[in-house]
Amino acid sequence: KAGVTQTPRYLIKTRGQQVTLSCSPISGHRSVSWYQQTPGQGLQFLFEYFSETQRNKGNFPGRFSGRQFSNSRSEMNVSTLELGDSALYLCASSSDPGTSPQETQYFGPGTRLLVL
Amino acid sequence: GQSLEQPSEVTAVEGAIVQINCTYQTSGFYGLSWYQQHDGGAPTFLSYNALDGLEETGRFSSFLSRSDSYGYLLLQELQMKDSASYFCAVRAITGGGNKLTFGTGTQLKVEL
Repeated sequence: KAGVTQTPRYLIKTRGQQVTLSCSPISGHRSVSWYQQTPGQGLQFLFEYFSETQRNKGNFPGRFSGRQFSNSRSEMNVSTLELGDSALYLCASSSDPGTSPQETQYFGPGTRLLVL
Repeated sequence: GQSLEQPSEVTAVEGAIVQINCTYQTSGFYGLSWYQQHDGGAPTFLSYNALDGLEETGRFSSFLSRSDSYGYLLLQELQMKDSASYFCAVRAITGGGNKLTFGTGTQLKVEL
């Protein structure tokens, strides 16, 4: 099976702009979670989508949003970018951690976003 | 909410054994996972403990004590390629399902 793919891999934006990141999960996986990784904060949970519905949300401002399509592909959007949004954005897929808590999450390579 | 604590850095020599501890505070605990991440790479799953005790997978073992809210990852016969960051993560019940909360990671440096 192909792994989790994320596009683009690298992105440079300026403050105030918006950005959309894309994630394609492993075939058959219906759950997609997004994380922000920064050197000081580690991996912080943004949100989880399952069957096109947001099932969980982390403690991020409303500028961070996401969605999931019927084919399980997911996008996240960050509006009005701030310097502090510079980070590695990772998505992870699993079949359904809601019914199988031990279900492993498989991570994509991430999108490295730099906000200038 | 959830919080996890793990050492920020550990150094060990090739061939040695190293233990990375993780303590957590959470409600609705499901289990404790461990992930490895090499510089520039994606986190990869190592192990998962839902019940007390030791789980062994090759050179890696993971332990959980639910009553102590504590777990550890044990790496044996260290190799240079084990130099990476190791994250513990708690899976806990939330409103609509469950989510994974990660610790800030332990950077393991393996030296000759």
